[in-house]
Amino acid sequence: AQSVTQLGSHVSVSEGALVLLRCNYSSSVPPYLFWYVQYPNQGLQLLLKYTTGATLVKGINGFEAEFKKSETSFHLTKPSAHMSDAAEYFCAVSEFSGAGSYQLTFGKGTKLSVIP
Amino acid sequence: GAGVSQSPSNKVTEKGKDVELRCDPISGHTALYWYRQSLGQGLEFLIYFQGNSAPDKSGLPSDRFSAERTGGSVSTLTIQRTQQEDSAVYLCASSLQLMGTQYFGPGTRLLVL
Repeated sequence: AQSVTQLGSHVSVSEGALVLLRCNYSSSVPPYLFWYVQYPNQGLQLLLKYTTGATLVKGINGFEAEFKKSETSFHLTKPSAHMSDAAEYFCAVSEFSGAGSYQLTFGKGTKLSVIP
Repeated sequence: GAGVSQSPSNKVTEKGKDVELRCDPISGHTALYWYRQSLGQGLEFLIYFQGNSAPDKSGLPSDRFSAERTGGSVSTLTIQRTQQEDSAVYLCASSLQLMGTQYFGPGTRLLVL
């Protein structure tokens, strides 16, 4: 069974500093990997995804993530944090369930705070 | 175009009552998922619909939970005899095809008193 581990339930960074949110996964087959962001009282918004091909994936709002198969990691980064980046971030993996679906398995989430 | 919509946005009910939650997927999306987001369990898959295929119900936590999708579009998640542990945000997502990116609605926040 697949699983996703996000290190750090809360991360605080100063405005303008590097953002690094960690995600490790376990999967028996090459996975599809996703990062979603959730703002308060809203649904999930896709930031970026990895399916196949280039292992460095660029997403919206200046975020990017690198798929490292040897480390089973998919860490999310942004060079310079902005106040508007404060939100909760979820890493997810998708693989075929065997019952016909590609449901997402999510990590527990990391709440990002940006300090002015 | 319009995104995934869900209604109601908030629902407060008494323990033991039945509730129905509605999801309108993005037009043309054949795959539809329901997830539950709760403080204790995080985000959990509930059920999946794809076209006319049999749904994947493997994530439903009990037989009090059921869902249907009429005409390959709108879906309704029904919780019978609600319990306090059913309090959560119920999220719906749709994708263009089986392996496509899932786009989420704003969720229905359910509170069972």
